[in-house]
Amino acid sequence: DAGVTQSPTHLIKTRGQQVTLRCSPKSGHDTVSWYQQALGQGPQFIFQYYEEEERQRGNFPDRFSGHQFPNYSSELNVNALLLGDSALYLCASSLGTGLADTQYFGPGTRLTVL
Amino acid sequence: GENVEQHPSTLSVQEGDSAVIKCTYSDSASNYFPWYKQELGKGPQLIIDIRSNVGEKKDQRIAVTLNKTAKHFSLHITETQPEDSAVYFCAPGGGYNKLIFGAGTRLAVHP
Repeated sequence: DAGVTQSPTHLIKTRGQQVTLRCSPKSGHDTVSWYQQALGQGPQFIFQYYEEEERQRGNFPDRFSGHQFPNYSSELNVNALLLGDSALYLCASSLGTGLADTQYFGPGTRLTVL
Repeated sequence: GENVEQHPSTLSVQEGDSAVIKCTYSDSASNYFPWYKQELGKGPQLIIDIRSNVGEKKDQRIAVTLNKTAKHFSLHITETQPEDSAVYFCAPGGGYNKLIFGAGTRLAVHP
């Protein structure tokens, strides 16, 4: 049983560019959440997708957008990249009962913005 | 807004000793209380979680205790081993489980 997978593992972009990160949830899970983890800090919630809709959103600008596909996989898009967007981007999957669902994290995508 | 604090920020113990990390949160709507372990270059790994209708949960050398009235929960690791060395995060969650992570505790277990 595969766990949460993310691609790519590393990515280097320049300021102003756009990036797309991908996540496949754990088998049987239907909810995907995205987090940003800056170096030396705890992860910060970006948004959560359930039934192909954004269900919750954290305090991130509209440059951050996402999508969930019918097979429950998800993409995170970031437009107009800033140096401060450099971070580890984590995807977590869960079974969306809405009742304190356990979230399992993938290995992350390390994004560097130059 | 939501506020989560972890103490201590760093913890150094000898192999075989116990380690305790405390997490304090502000959102009274929180009803889910997980602890994650993160090793260098990896994503957070769930090690134990507890829900608000339970005061304590144990899994071998790891336990979590919850005091909802005081809004804090703690991670207890007994008989620590060098492989327990990592950064530990508490991440209380509420509706639909938007997890709010603490800043992390770096645990070093010395042989």
